[in-house]
Amino acid sequence: DTAVSQTPKYLVTQMGNDKSIKCEQNLGHDTMYWYKQDSKKFLKIMFSYNNKELIINETVPNRFSPKSPDKAHLNLHINSLELGDSAVYFCASSQERGRQETQYFGPGTRLLVL
Amino acid sequence: SQQGEEDPQALSIQEGENATMNCSYKTSINNLQWYRQNSGRGLVHLILIRSNEREKHSGRLRVTLDTSKKSSSLLITASRAADTASYFCATGNFGNEKLTFGTGTRLTIIP
Repeated sequence: DTAVSQTPKYLVTQMGNDKSIKCEQNLGHDTMYWYKQDSKKFLKIMFSYNNKELIINETVPNRFSPKSPDKAHLNLHINSLELGDSAVYFCASSQERGRQETQYFGPGTRLLVL
Repeated sequence: SQQGEEDPQALSIQEGENATMNCSYKTSINNLQWYRQNSGRGLVHLILIRSNEREKHSGRLRVTLDTSKKSSSLLITASRAADTASYFCATGNFGNEKLTFGTGTRLTIIP
């Protein structure tokens, strides 16, 4: 009965590879997010979708492409991985957009690019 | 640019003592939230305080907000070993869809 789940939990891969991270929420929320947390624990928003529509797209390299097949899922595909992409990626959800309400986070995906 | 800055960056106290963390921000906010992150886990929402509120309580947590000083504090009373975690403030700003997270305070409770 996990609220926000992510797979995989750990991802170790070589530079130049393409990888995907999946996120699912069973809270019935309309809005989902991807965050990147670097080694200094700084948490930065990358993308947000509301009911499958992209509403936040920060200055993220276009190697990162989010996809939302339905409002319960938000996946993140990363092309041509670079060393600097190593970080923890968190998915989150909130009930509705535009109200900056409580966000519910997944457990994170630890990506290590070698 | 980063909105919230927590202070101190790290704090170690004895179990049973109170822990106070501060957050400063730069622009007008709609609300301010505090989250906890245990090592290797996701963030967990603790408390939300709106811009028209000055103080809020939840169990052993007490949050204050001073919009004139653009600052907030989180007080954890009677600390426990299980309170060991990183604590982040996050601000919701008018006209902006997103929350902006601060740099975090790493709290260690010494048994």
